[in-house]
Amino acid sequence: EAQVTQNPRYLITVTGKKLTVTCSQNMNHEYMSWYRQDPGLGLRQIYYSMNVEVTDKGDVPEGYKVSRKEKRNFPLILESPSPNQTSLYFCASSLSSPGLAGVDGELFFGEGSRLTVL
Amino acid sequence: GESVGLHLPTLSVQEGDNSIINCAYSNSASDYFIWYKQESGKGPQFIIDIRSNMDKRQGQRVTVLLNKTVKHLSLQIAATQPGDSAVYFCAENRGADGLTFGKGTHLIIQP
Repeated sequence: EAQVTQNPRYLITVTGKKLTVTCSQNMNHEYMSWYRQDPGLGLRQIYYSMNVEVTDKGDVPEGYKVSRKEKRNFPLILESPSPNQTSLYFCASSLSSPGLAGVDGELFFGEGSRLTVL
Repeated sequence: GESVGLHLPTLSVQEGDNSIINCAYSNSASDYFIWYKQESGKGPQFIIDIRSNMDKRQGQRVTVLLNKTVKHLSLQIAATQPGDSAVYFCAENRGADGLTFGKGTHLIIQP
């Protein structure tokens, strides 16, 4: 089954304790992206990756890191989490960058990871 | 900067009626728009898309209308069903970066 898998789905942690949210897709997609979803703010892009070893900042990258060593995996790293990073996080992937000429914009989303930083 | 917004945060409709969800965008250079549906506890799912060389596109029970003159996008859902209850997001492409999402409209279906 084609899917984007995130782990953990739920996590409560404390300020400053490094954590990683993993993301894996089995569709051989080149493009992957992380979003955070907050009430009243919708989905905001944190980082994205056009391909292996290529990552770029989105709209809200502060406090986050990513890596893309393999095509299927795109982990989100919070080196020193703070309470303002409490949010619902979504990983997404697509065949290529959505919306490029001739490219379908269908992003496939994971089920989400709800993170609480105390 | 770019922005994608929605006119109403919540829309309540009777089961069986048609629903219309609206979206305004500000980047006149955007040439591709998508609607996503997010059910409670799940990630967003693609519904339908439209490119700027079109003003209407139809899917199964859904129609997207694009008015480039006033930079307005709408999603019409015919004969709304309980399973249509969700938050609906419009999104526009931002070049190679990916998509910019609106803040969402919560569609509530009344029996």
